[in-house]
Amino acid sequence: DAGITQSPRHKVTETGTPVTLRCHQTENHRYMYWYRQDPGHGLRLIHYSYGVKDTDKGEVSDGYSVSRSKTEDFLLTLESATSSQTSVYFCAISEGGGVGEETQYFGPGTRLLVL
Amino acid sequence: AQTVTQSQPEMSVQEAETVTLSCTYDTSENNYYLFWYKQPPSRQMILVIRQEAYKQQNATENRFSVNFQKAAKSFSLKISDSQLGDTAMYFCAFMKLDSGNTPLVFGKGTRLSVIA
Repeated sequence: DAGITQSPRHKVTETGTPVTLRCHQTENHRYMYWYRQDPGHGLRLIHYSYGVKDTDKGEVSDGYSVSRSKTEDFLLTLESATSSQTSVYFCAISEGGGVGEETQYFGPGTRLLVL
Repeated sequence: AQTVTQSQPEMSVQEAETVTLSCTYDTSENNYYLFWYKQPPSRQMILVIRQEAYKQQNATENRFSVNFQKAAKSFSLKISDSQLGDTAMYFCAFMKLDSGNTPLVFGKGTRLSVIA
């Protein structure tokens, strides 16, 4: 257990509404990631953070924004949700820096349905 | 850009038998890590095993072992003495080794069913 929680765990929303997913970690890991999982695609990177206020885009970042104002929280926001953003969202963390610290550990996932 | 290919969408194996899941990757990098993650029906992503590219010795973790062929860019997972609890999706993943951590690039997964 890497001390990662995601909230909410399930959400149903309507097209056009804003949605924020939260990833919370308790062990001060430097790196945090948001991935989405869709059938036939595996997991794909949306955004990641390498420190407080330091973020970068991933492969499928369009329509998403992130914020990290403190080490333990990494927020993913869908500014105006679309049906194509129906997915399972995973947060992951890693320590970074040295050998053995690069492994990513995942939260339990958030299932989002956009109607 | 790196790509990871898992050519077997689904596989099945009898309990107690051995099964091998294939993974190939494409990269121009020389320093990187490779991982296998397991995703059971609970959806939790669980690290199974990892391999550092600079190590020639294949990684092993109990019943799980890999066959890492760097020149061929191949990274297969062998599960020995398969158990019902091994039923899951298995994802192969690549990570470039940089000055800091870099995100994972995943294959599309192989669904493994262990049959009693």
